Amino acid sequence: DQQVKQNSPSLSVQEGRISILNCDYTNSMFDYFLWYKKYPAEGPTFLISISSIKDKNEDGRFTVFLNKSAKHLSLHIVPSQPGDSAVYFCAAVEYGNKLVFGAGTILRVKS
Amino acid sequence: DTGVSQNPRHKITKRGQNVTFRCDPISEHNRLYWYRQTLGQGPEFLTYFQNEAQLEKSRLLSDRFSAERPKGSFSTLEIQRTEQGDSAMYLCANGGADEKLFFGSGTQLSVL
Repeated sequence: DQQVKQNSPSLSVQEGRISILNCDYTNSMFDYFLWYKKYPAEGPTFLISISSIKDKNEDGRFTVFLNKSAKHLSLHIVPSQPGDSAVYFCAAVEYGNKLVFGAGTILRVKS
Repeated sequence: DTGVSQNPRHKITKRGQNVTFRCDPISEHNRLYWYRQTLGQGPEFLTYFQNEAQLEKSRLLSDRFSAERPKGSFSTLEIQRTEQGDSAMYLCANGGADEKLFFGSGTQLSVL
């Protein structure tokens, strides 16, 4: 039973446009979320996080939005760049500071 | 570079053989995790250590898997009698005082 779901396996956007990656979760006890980026043959790299006491967190071109009532997160990348092409994972923090990951979304930014 | 080093990067083995992977974490971070990732899936939790104590093991971790972290520094993950279903990327991650985990580049295991 997947507690964190990324329902879009892939997304393709034009360079300079906005990329929106979505994530849903089922466990209402989750109160901290992270996004990771992964290139082939490398480990995931931390991108941005958000606590449930906020509904938005911004870091440069990356913004994460949290809608607790809908149990929904989204990551916005604007403007998108070709170097952003990677797999993006949404993760929720479980007890013991373990991360529960979604299946990932492959982002392709076309130049 | 997250400072988490994993060796080897790649391992090809025959079914039934034993394999061991090593993780060298960031020295001041006391939490260490092992995850496994297969194609098309996100990383799945296997086990974690707080210093040298192994605090939790996933039910995914069969009796053929064992992990150690002597002296709370580096960690090893051993798989005995490998099966083809063990083929995956094995990721080590390190965490400090907050919720962020820093991952190594992983060990890609192929069991033939």
